[in-house]
Amino acid sequence: DAGVTQSPTHLIKTRGQQVTLRCSPKSGHDTVSWYQQALGQGPQFIFQYYEEEERQRGNFPDRFSGHQFPNYSSELNVNALLLGDSALYLCASSSGQGENSPLHFGNGTRLTVT
Amino acid sequence: DQQVKQNSPSLSVQEGRISILNCDYTNSMFDYFLWYKKYPAEGPTFLISISSIKDKNEDGRFTVFLNKSAKHLSLHIVPSQPGDSAVYFCAASNTGFQKLVFGTGTRLLVSP
Repeated sequence: DAGVTQSPTHLIKTRGQQVTLRCSPKSGHDTVSWYQQALGQGPQFIFQYYEEEERQRGNFPDRFSGHQFPNYSSELNVNALLLGDSALYLCASSSGQGENSPLHFGNGTRLTVT
Repeated sequence: DQQVKQNSPSLSVQEGRISILNCDYTNSMFDYFLWYKKYPAEGPTFLISISSIKDKNEDGRFTVFLNKSAKHLSLHIVPSQPGDSAVYFCAASNTGFQKLVFGTGTRLLVSP
């Protein structure tokens, strides 16, 4: 049973560029959340997608956007990259907006902005 | 404003002894608290949770205690094993298990 898978594993981008990160949820899960983990910090909530709509959003600028596809997979897009966007981006999945369903995390995408 | 705080960046314990990891929070609206464990190059893994209506939850070697008046929770691991060596994150939410607010983590090292 495949868990949450994320691609790519690592990515290097230049300031001002745009990036797309991808996530496939755990089998049976339909809700995807994205978190940003800066070095030495805990993960910080970006947003949650359920039924192809953004349901909740954390304190992140509009440069961060996402999408969920009918097969429940998801993309995170970041425009106009800043050096401060360098971080580990974690995707997590759960079922039915999962109020009582713990998040299952992928191994993350390490983004470096130079 | 750090709503969830883990003030100990690291903890070293001998195998077989008890590990106690602490977490403080400031938002009284949090109604669920969770602990996640993270190994290098892997995503966080859910360990145990507690609802704000309880003061203790136990799962095998892991017990979480919640003191609402002090806005403090702790994770006890008994007995500690070398495989428990990892970074432990405390997390809280006021939307069930979603939209988690994480602490900065405590690195636990269990030596043989």
